Amino acid sequence: QSVLTQPPSVSAAPGQKVTISCSGSSSNIGNNYVSWYQQLPGTAPKLLIYETSKRLSGIPDRFSGSKSGTSATLGITGLQTGDEADYYCGAWDSSLSAYVFGTGTKVTVL
Amino acid sequence: EMQMVESGGGAARPGGSLRLSCAASGFKFDDYGMIWVRQVPGKGLEWVSGINWSGVSIAYADSVKGRFTIYRDNAKNSLYLQMNSLRAEDTALYHCARSRYSSSWYAFDSWGQGTLVTVSS
Repeated sequence: QSVLTQPPSVSAAPGQKVTISCSGSSSNIGNNYVSWYQQLPGTAPKLLIYETSKRLSGIPDRFSGSKSGTSATLGITGLQTGDEADYYCGAWDSSLSAYVFGTGTKVTVL
Repeated sequence: EMQMVESGGGAARPGGSLRLSCAASGFKFDDYGMIWVRQVPGKGLEWVSGINWSGVSIAYADSVKGRFTIYRDNAKNSLYLQMNSLRAEDTALYHCARSRYSSSWYAFDSWGQGTLVTVSS
């Protein structure tokens, strides 16, 4: 089981905002960078956010990342139907000496 | 254009072995660390193993430690995963991915489409 916990699903209407939480501990989120990945149905994951809050080149500024203590958050504003996907957080875990992914969150555009 | 293409998946018996390969192109392979990630269809992502640019620094998930070996051949722009003592729970789609860093595994910015491994008697 994953050491990073995300809500199973979030939803909102087009144009609205959603936030996805990722809860961890001091051995991962608390002291290491967080990254966020989007996985559209039937495709490989795609990096959106790295080093907690930096957007990969080409990722629209509707996507944002932040961290407070041992929790991280991905925000998506101006929600579009193309944003329907699974989203995963990830971080290096210094205690496990391994990278850990979150449990994943399905975003639904109503 | 960056590309990673995995191969070597297939069916194996419990206790058997498989070797996965990942052919990389479109970037200077020996500047980057690489990883393997697996995903049971319909389930979440699980990081399996990572290797730094030179192959000197390696890490494994506890679930595969002692059974899987990651290595790379920079002359061939290729990454490998030798999978021994396979178990049913190793059944998954295996992706290779590029780390943004040469010797750290904080974020992975390019992924292959994966190769499916099925372990069953």
